[in-house]
Amino acid sequence: QVHLQESGPGLVKPSETLSLTCIVSGSSISSGYYWGWIRQPPGKGLEWIGTIYHSGDPYYNPSLKSRVTISVGTSKKHFSLKLSSVTAADTAVYFCARTVDYDVLTGSRGYFDYWGQGTLVTVSS
Amino acid sequence: EIVLTQSPGTLSLSPGERATLSCRASQSVSSNSLAWYQQKPGQAPRLLIFGASSRATGIPDRFSGSGSGTDFTLTISRLEPEDFAVYYCQQYGNLLWTFGQGTKVEIK
Repeated sequence: QVHLQESGPGLVKPSETLSLTCIVSGSSISSGYYWGWIRQPPGKGLEWIGTIYHSGDPYYNPSLKSRVTISVGTSKKHFSLKLSSVTAADTAVYFCARTVDYDVLTGSRGYFDYWGQGTLVTVSS
Repeated sequence: EIVLTQSPGTLSLSPGERATLSCRASQSVSSNSLAWYQQKPGQAPRLLIFGASSRATGIPDRFSGSGSGTDFTLTISRLEPEDFAVYYCQQYGNLLWTFGQGTKVEIK
């Protein structure tokens, strides 16, 4: 059973860097999947932050690209998100998710099949 | 960047009724790159449909997806009490992912 779990501080001060980790079990990060971060401000919709392949470059939402870094841990059992220079607008529930790049049975691409439960990060002094 | 616009914003229906949710893209989306998710309060989104029309594992057959190009539809044939939630469409293309703003299906 694939399981993803986000962890990190629930409170970050303005102008500081938000750091979250997603621990993956039941699926290898080195398998043929991508791994992504999505966020959801309170009462609002979903926003894709970025995605990474275990051996490739990350891809970022252009609106956040200058502040985002996504990386895979050396143990290949977790991947991480860093978002710098945060403001109150970055307050959100942050989700990590496994991303199917290509489904050989249907030819389908780019969907998120397993999600973590999400973690609320509040930006406040 | 492809913008996805979902309509209506809110759908008020009774259990047993049919729900039809629309997702319109600002430019053509590959049918194999359109997905739908269900989200209930306090929970993570759950994958319902991928590749525009393939049901994810464990999803009841009352959920169906269709469409191509710029117009996609999620249909719930007969609403069950557990189906009242927010639904999002999502597309992938050129190494970018975007979501629609969501449609809330509420009990009338």
